[in-house]
Amino acid sequence: SYELTQPPSVSVSPGQTARITCSGDALPKQYAYWYQQKPGQAPVLVIYKDSERPSGIPERFSGSSSGTTVTLTISGVQAEDEADYYCQSADSSGTVVFGGGTKLTVL
Amino acid sequence: EVQLVESGGGLVQPGGSLRLSCAASGFTFSSYWMHWVRQAPGKGLVWVSRINSDGSSTSYADSVKGRFTISRDNAKNTLYLQMNSLRAEDTAVYYCARDRGGGDYFDYWGQGTLVTVSS
Repeated sequence: SYELTQPPSVSVSPGQTARITCSGDALPKQYAYWYQQKPGQAPVLVIYKDSERPSGIPERFSGSSSGTTVTLTISGVQAEDEADYYCQSADSSGTVVFGGGTKLTVL
Repeated sequence: EVQLVESGGGLVQPGGSLRLSCAASGFTFSSYWMHWVRQAPGKGLVWVSRINSDGSSTSYADSVKGRFTISRDNAKNTLYLQMNSLRAEDTAVYYCARDRGGGDYFDYWGQGTLVTVSS
């Protein structure tokens, strides 16, 4: 079955830039999406179609794509950005797939 | 304001059944595809099922195919998930989520309802 691979954890100091990667063979042909999930809360969409930002999401969140890897970048990380982040895409049959999630720790 | 409110979770024995509901408000429910996504305790998100706007087309993850049935009542603005032959590995928080626009991604989520399968 199709898999999206994320690093389990990323740590950064406040004000620095966090980059979270997501790798998958179908990513050159399928869009990727990113969700932020804080403890005890539902996920929130932060990036769609690789690099688009929904209204209400701070400009410090951005997305990019290169080949089989997509990247969520958080510039000027703030303490409130500490959360789990999940990438999501679909395989060739249209089955929705999530990455395993990355825990962002703000030191 | 878009709201999705799940209900129907609880404790059920292995092999049992449960029906989850998701009440939608604040948008034209009948115009949107809807999904169920689950999250086992301490684990990641897993897609479960989708249904198109008029209920004529459905899809399922392999892990639930043949056991779960997604449906909707557009007159009642409600999404359902009928879960049969439940297993311990189905234990999770179940979220309903609105499809942003036929693109299989989710712009609004409910708060989730916990399903625990245990004897």
